[in-house]
Amino acid sequence: GEDVEQSLFLSVREGDSSVINCTYTDSSSTYLYWYKQEPGAGLQLLTYIFSNMDMKQDQRLTVLLNKKDKHLSLRIADTQTGDSAIYFCAEKWRVSGTYKYIFGTGTRLKVLA
Amino acid sequence: GAVVSQHPSWVICKSGTSVKIECRSLDFQATTMFWYRQFPKQSLMLMATSNEGSKATYEQGVEKDKFLINHASLTLSTLTVTSAHPEDSSFYICSARVIAGHETQYFGPGTRLLVL
Repeated sequence: GEDVEQSLFLSVREGDSSVINCTYTDSSSTYLYWYKQEPGAGLQLLTYIFSNMDMKQDQRLTVLLNKKDKHLSLRIADTQTGDSAIYFCAEKWRVSGTYKYIFGTGTRLKVLA
Repeated sequence: GAVVSQHPSWVICKSGTSVKIECRSLDFQATTMFWYRQFPKQSLMLMATSNEGSKATYEQGVEKDKFLINHASLTLSTLTVTSAHPEDSSFYICSARVIAGHETQYFGPGTRLLVL
């Protein structure tokens, strides 16, 4: 399957935590990624998690993976106005001897001052 | 992290002309690069996988004669939109595959194409 779903919008107040959710369909994913895209720019890799891990923490970012439910989340602690952007999850899976990346629909995060 | 550049950052052209977009890996060699297309407020759609020294692999529904890809060196891949039409207007993003412990990809800043 190639569907990776995300909620479209999330609005939080500065200083609060943000949680962005992602569901994917392919259980053979090897790695899952979170990317950030600012207006008019390319994608910036934020963090990734290997499929045999449940959690990964990287400074203000915490990634949780529930492989049984095929659910991935990104928590941003102490959200700042500079975190306003579109966040994409992506899964990497093997197909026909090569790797393929499927991107989610993107979540637009707006941080209110 | 690895740096990928794209040129031009934006281009406006007349319908029927061809446009070439360059994707460069600045401080590393990339045997594999990817070309994506992104419509406003939508996700990235993989168009093709560009392999150095061989033919590109196109995704289903992407016309290879319309979107010509050349990956002649380990640091440069080009995408040429031939006989561009207004429906080709989009944001084109390239990425380079990097293997450092595990495989990931680093993205260029994107090229915005507007066809009049």
